[in-house]
Amino acid sequence: DGGITQSPKYLFRKEGQNVTLSCEQNLNHDAMYWYRQDPGQGLRLIYYSQIVNDFQKGDIAEGYSVSREKKESFPLTVTSAQKNPTAFYLCASSIKNMNTEAFFGQGTRLTVV
Amino acid sequence: KQEVTQIPAALSVPEGENLVLNCSFTDSAIYNLQWFRQDPGKGLTSLLLIQSSQREQTSGRLNASLDKSSGRSTLYIAASQPGDSATYLCAVSSNTGKLIFGQGTTLQVKP
Repeated sequence: DGGITQSPKYLFRKEGQNVTLSCEQNLNHDAMYWYRQDPGQGLRLIYYSQIVNDFQKGDIAEGYSVSREKKESFPLTVTSAQKNPTAFYLCASSIKNMNTEAFFGQGTRLTVV
Repeated sequence: KQEVTQIPAALSVPEGENLVLNCSFTDSAIYNLQWFRQDPGKGLTSLLLIQSSQREQTSGRLNASLDKSSGRSTLYIAASQPGDSATYLCAVSSNTGKLIFGQGTTLQVKP
């Protein structure tokens, strides 16, 4: 089946640790995105990539990092510099950019313990 | 700066009722508008995509309209069912290539 796979579904992080969230797509999409969702705040864009080996900061990039070494993969690292990382993280992709239909993964819920 | 607003924030209706969800945006220079459904703890499922040159799109019991000049879109759900209970999000695509979301309308359809 074609789609976007995020893993893990649940992730727990200790204070001061970096963690990496996985996002893989087999839709042959060029563009990939990471969003953060908090209750009452909607979805906010963290990073996006429109082509391999290139990515741009979104609205809330501080404390996060990404890489795009392969077309199908766009991992997100939540670093210790992110002061409030507990949230639901959603990965999305589209054919070229957000001017075409976007498809989302099932999300990763990150909790700081 | 583009802002997207969805009203109401929550809606409860009896099964079988037709209903309308509203979405408004401040900058009419959009490329498209997309409606999504989100079930609790899940990702987003794309329902309908309306290009800026289109006025409406239909899929089954769903109909979405777009009035770019007034900055409004509506999602019409006909003959609602309990399985329609979810949060519905609208999002607009701007010239920066970003998708900007409203905060959603949480719908409950009671049997």
